[in-house]
Amino acid sequence: EVQLLESGGGLVQPGGSLRLSCAASGFTFSAYTLTWVRQAPGKGLEWVSAISGSGDDTYYADSVKGRFTMSRDKSKNTVYLHMNSLRADDTAVYYCARPEIAKECFDSWGQGTLVTVSS
Amino acid sequence: SYVLTQPPSVSVAPGQTARITCGGDFIGSKSVHWYQQKPGQAPVMVLYADSDRPSGIPERFSGSNSGNTATLTISRVEAGDEADYYCQVWDAITYHYVFGAGTKVTVL
Repeated sequence: EVQLLESGGGLVQPGGSLRLSCAASGFTFSAYTLTWVRQAPGKGLEWVSAISGSGDDTYYADSVKGRFTMSRDKSKNTVYLHMNSLRADDTAVYYCARPEIAKECFDSWGQGTLVTVSS
Repeated sequence: SYVLTQPPSVSVAPGQTARITCGGDFIGSKSVHWYQQKPGQAPVMVLYADSDRPSGIPERFSGSNSGNTATLTISRVEAGDEADYYCQVWDAITYHYVFGAGTKVTVL
């Protein structure tokens, strides 16, 4: 069974930093791109970032480019989202999601972790 | 960047048919995926590749995609279908995943 378990959310002040983790299990970790998708309170889904299975390629939404960095550790089957220069509009539930190979649809999601940016 | 347009809300009586549209430039040339999200829960994929259903999704959920509009159709709507629905595509030019703004389906 595919499982994605996010952690690391919490309250952070504007301008601060936070690192989210997504521990993956139930599939061949290095074979899959993994992504972060966020949802601000009462709003829709917004794709944030993606990292290839090898970790060589990363992609970011314009809204986070230059502030967020995604990485992966194959020894821990975990992907990370390093978030810097956080703003109030980064407040959201952050989901880890796995795109199905060659279909680019999200067939597995974590339960999400809440990030609140507030003073 | 590629934009997907959905109606904010759709209302439907139980047993009737709900149709949720997703508009985008030449979306018929793309593969469209649909997700259902209930309050406090993570999204669940209900259709992929325009009209294919993942295991466990009822046949009442169907889809089509042509021209500039993709459509999710829910037949014989039940109270449990009340949720937010999102369409999604992958933009191969920017390597970005794109979601529509979502449609709230209300069962009357």
